[in-house]
Amino acid sequence: AQSVAQPEDQVKVAEGNPLTVKCTYSVSGNPYLFWYVQYPNRGLQFLLKYITGDNLVKGSYGFEAEFNKSQTSFHLKKPSALVSDSALYFCAQGGKLIFGQGTELSVKP
Amino acid sequence: EPEVTQTPSHQVTQMGQEVILRCVPISNHLYFYWYRQILGQKVEFLVSFYNNEISEKSEIFDDQFSVERPDGSNFTLKIRSTKLEDSAMYFCASSEGDRDNSPLHFGNGTRLTVT
Repeated sequence: AQSVAQPEDQVKVAEGNPLTVKCTYSVSGNPYLFWYVQYPNRGLQFLLKYITGDNLVKGSYGFEAEFNKSQTSFHLKKPSALVSDSALYFCAQGGKLIFGQGTELSVKP
Repeated sequence: EPEVTQTPSHQVTQMGQEVILRCVPISNHLYFYWYRQILGQKVEFLVSFYNNEISEKSEIFDDQFSVERPDGSNFTLKIRSTKLEDSAMYFCASSEGDRDNSPLHFGNGTRLTVT
């Protein structure tokens, strides 16, 4: 069955440090992959997507994600975290747009 | 920037009552969706709508649920007889193209509380 997994419920980093939010996807599912961010009391906002081509995808707010076929992963990254990046992050796989369970990112000053 | 708007932001209803959640998608978008998020759980797909008909629905979207685009701008989700387990955040979304190629634009959600 198609599934997306985010193995970490929470990620904590210090401001200025690099951040990684992990996601693994289902090989049998649709190959299109997305990251969305959710701020408190708001809807989800699109960050970036992978369709085909370069394995490193650049998106909004300085985020990027690396598609790794051998590890079936699509981890979200940012070289230098900001306090304002603190939010809930969802990985999703295309087709029915199956969402992962979400990872709460907390960036401390 | 155009936004998807949802009303009301919070709806409280009694079990067994009908509720209608309203959404105004972005005007040039062709695809419309409803998702829900039960507190503390993942975002779940309910239904997609294109060309005035349901294009796909999940197992959650049973006979209690229906969607409608009554006037070319609104997109509504109706729950006929609410149950306690329908309490959740309901998100409307729209996109220019289908979900594989076009990012979804989400509204801020309606928090439905069934008592």
